[in-house]
Amino acid sequence: QVQLQESGPGLVKPSQTLSLTCTVSGGSISSGSYHWSWIRQPAGKGLEWIGRIHTSGSTNYKPSLKSRLTILLDTSKNQFSLELSSVTAADTAVYYCASSRYGSGNAFDIWGQGTMVTVSS
Amino acid sequence: QSALTQPPSASGSPGQSVTISCTGTSSDVGGYNYVSWYQQHPGKAPKLMISEVNKRPSGVPDRFSGSKSGNTASLTVSGLQAEDEADYYCSSYAGSNNLLFGGGTKLTVL
Repeated sequence: QVQLQESGPGLVKPSQTLSLTCTVSGGSISSGSYHWSWIRQPAGKGLEWIGRIHTSGSTNYKPSLKSRLTILLDTSKNQFSLELSSVTAADTAVYYCASSRYGSGNAFDIWGQGTMVTVSS
Repeated sequence: QSALTQPPSASGSPGQSVTISCTGTSSDVGGYNYVSWYQQHPGKAPKLMISEVNKRPSGVPDRFSGSKSGNTASLTVSGLQAEDEADYYCSSYAGSNNLLFGGGTKLTVL
């Protein structure tokens, strides 16, 4: 049973870079054909898909975030990561990592528990 | 692209059925059979309830069903139970490797 766990700083200063890691356990991040995504949710608001990386290493980003976003795959550590630069208060949210099997219609069947990130000085 | 449109709230009594809509455009909901539905209880991560418009993952009760007509997808919960009270979100592929979520619907079991 694959499980996902987010980790990273809970507080980031404005204009700095937000960095999070998602650790995959119970399976190999490089086996099969999966998309590994980041999704966020501001307090009391809805879900927002941020971007994803395929097992092959190819990435897709939400157009409005593309200029600030980098998602990387580290197969040696069984992890994938998120880097969001030039953050503002609008980036404050619970950040989830999630996976979807390629060909499943982009359905996120496994989620991490989420990690709260606050952007504040 | 804008988020998909869901009603902010829905409600029903135990045993009743309730349907939640998710409206998009021909570029997302209407253009692909890649609509998913998620259930989220307070403080918890979302849980996949429906994929590809009407497919139920293993373990999801058959009280949950999905459908689509044109640019609108729907989630129906039949035989409402107290534990169904939660927020529900739809999502859709929007082309060009982009994914959209709906704004969410708070389902109250009266």
